[in-house]
Amino acid sequence: AQTVTQSQPEMSVQEAETVTLSCTYDTSESDYYLFWYKQPPSRQMILVIRQEAYKQQNATENRFSVNFQKAAKSFSLKISDSQLGDAAMYFCAYESQGAQKLVFGQGTRLTINP
Amino acid sequence: EADIYQTPRYLVIGTGKKITLECSQTMGHDKMYWYQQDPGMELHLIHYSYGVNSTEKGDLSSESTVSRIRTEHFPLTLESARPSHTSQYLCASSEPRGTGKRTDTQYFGPGTRLTVL
Repeated sequence: AQTVTQSQPEMSVQEAETVTLSCTYDTSESDYYLFWYKQPPSRQMILVIRQEAYKQQNATENRFSVNFQKAAKSFSLKISDSQLGDAAMYFCAYESQGAQKLVFGQGTRLTINP
Repeated sequence: EADIYQTPRYLVIGTGKKITLECSQTMGHDKMYWYQQDPGMELHLIHYSYGVNSTEKGDLSSESTVSRIRTEHFPLTLESARPSHTSQYLCASSEPRGTGKRTDTQYFGPGTRLTVL
């Protein structure tokens, strides 16, 4: 079974600085998808960014980018120019090509210091 | 505006009561999911459905049941609530892969925070 590990329960960063959240996963599959979801204090989960394993290019969405290292099974999220609205729980998630179900990591609580 | 809705947002109820958590989406998605999440913890899939009259149990065993009679509606029922059921329940839906996408982006509702006394 696939597992997703987020080793940083909490992170904090100064506003306008850059922060990187770590995620590793374990799988024997070659074709899969990886996601970062954000859950603000209001609790509605929203997609931040996604990466398809067959693509070598790292995904980017405005201030959010990933560092996808397939061989190392690592999928970190970089947030540039951190803003107060970025404060939230961030979850890394894995979906295999066949299962069509998400497996979530334990989450990282990100605090933005003004 | 297309969205996914959950009611109630908060529910405090006594042990032994039957409860139904509602989830509706207006996006026309075939796939729907229920997750259980303790505060500050990861999400665990408890039920999912790939379409009308299709329901499957997820990775985490749950005493709840679900039904999918209409595409847009995916309610979760607890026949007899217990304090161990206290948790946050999140509903999600995703687009079918037939739309040309290789993967499903799941869209989440706001959640129902359930407290069983």
